Amino acid sequence: QVQLQESGPGLVEPSGTLSLTCAVSGDSISNNNWWTWVRQPPGKGLEWIGEMHHSGPTNYNPSLKSRVTVSVDKTKNQFSLQLRSVTAADAAVYFCARGVTLTNYNNRFDLWGQGTPVTVSS
Amino acid sequence: QSVLTQPPSVSGAPGQRVTISCTGSSSNIGATFDVHWYRQLPGAAPKLLIYGNSNRPSGVPDRFSGSKSGTSASLAITGLQAEDEADYYCQSYDSSLSGSYVFGTGTKVIVL
Repeated sequence: QVQLQESGPGLVEPSGTLSLTCAVSGDSISNNNWWTWVRQPPGKGLEWIGEMHHSGPTNYNPSLKSRVTVSVDKTKNQFSLQLRSVTAADAAVYFCARGVTLTNYNNRFDLWGQGTPVTVSS
Repeated sequence: QSVLTQPPSVSGAPGQRVTISCTGSSSNIGATFDVHWYRQLPGAAPKLLIYGNSNRPSGVPDRFSGSKSGTSASLAITGLQAEDEADYYCQSYDSSLSGSYVFGTGTKVIVL
């Protein structure tokens, strides 16, 4: 079955760059899906971060757009998140997810990774 | 702060029916973008429960149903079970500013 697995440092220094990777198994990252990142601060709700299609287009949350990059590595069948200039407000559990779309702007996230916690501290 | 508002909590006894509302606006739910629903058990990842306003993925029991009208959507759970105690989130797309997928504020379902 299809599985997504996040990996990356659990601790990032303030003003540093958060870098996470999501390995996809059981599905090709070159299929017609949107590879997505979502985060959840401790005790709070879900926040959509951004997405990328294997063909190149990306979309980002306007509130994070200036600091975020989502990229896809077809050779490794994985996708990545970079969040620059982090602060304590970026501490959260970060989830990767598969976005499935039938029509524009109606993506649903049908598969999720287990999530990886990230702390921001020196 | 989310543009989709949900009640912080709803509760019911086993076997009862509960509903969770998701209130948006003309730039999201009212703009005919689909609403999807997720259930999140403590310490776990969200799981897709309803997609395209009212469709259930394979494996989701028919105790769960979704609807949408105007600028709001609802999730109904009938035959409430202890295992339904979890957080529930609605999700849609918002076309204001530069556009973004958005989640609701989340609702805790409490089984009495």
